[in-house]
Amino acid sequence: DIVLTQSPGTLSLSPGERATLSCRASQSVSNNFLAWYQQNPGQAPRLLLYGASSRATGIPDRFSGSGSGTDFTLTISRLEPEDFAVYYCQQYAGSPLTFGGGTKVEIK
Amino acid sequence: EVQLVESGGGLVQPGGSLRLSCVASRFFFSNYAMSWVRQAPGKGLQWVSTISGSGGSTYYADSVKGRFTISRDNSKNTLYVQMNSLRAEDTAVYYCAKDYGTSGWYLFDRWGQGTPVTVSS
Repeated sequence: DIVLTQSPGTLSLSPGERATLSCRASQSVSNNFLAWYQQNPGQAPRLLLYGASSRATGIPDRFSGSGSGTDFTLTISRLEPEDFAVYYCQQYAGSPLTFGGGTKVEIK
Repeated sequence: EVQLVESGGGLVQPGGSLRLSCVASRFFFSNYAMSWVRQAPGKGLQWVSTISGSGGSTYYADSVKGRFTISRDNSKNTLYVQMNSLRAEDTAVYYCAKDYGTSGWYLFDRWGQGTPVTVSS
């Protein structure tokens, strides 16, 4: 199984600041089949990025992704109030599909 | 807009059974793989099971293999999961999720609102 480790567990930032979230895989994620989701409290997750760096439909360009192999990054260039949420990475390169443990972005 | 509506969750005793349903609308249901993903209280996301668009292929997490059965009725645009021999650790909100593409990408671009399952005596 590909284990995904997200860091930090919690990120405390102010609106307007830049957020950098990490997702590290226990083995190489082939074809960069790595997605990022956002989840607000009490809501279902929302797909942000796929293929490590492609934005899903309707996702603002302040969200960007990078990385390959085992190290991936989600960057939010300038935090908006609605961006304070939990973020998960997911690999879809192999079975079983696995998610990281999540990073909570909270208001400082 | 794509809509996924789950139902069937509730309180069940350990060892019991439950069947969850997910009614889909506003997309060509049979063209897309569908999945169940769960989230235990205060925890992260865990993939449970996936079924291909035709229903001919199914995949399960080891933790539910042999106990859960995923199925679909494309004539009713409905996804199911039959959950047997339920355990306390199956307690979670269960989401149904639509695959991103028609070629079996196995990432999820639309999610239902979730249905809670509690396994407790």
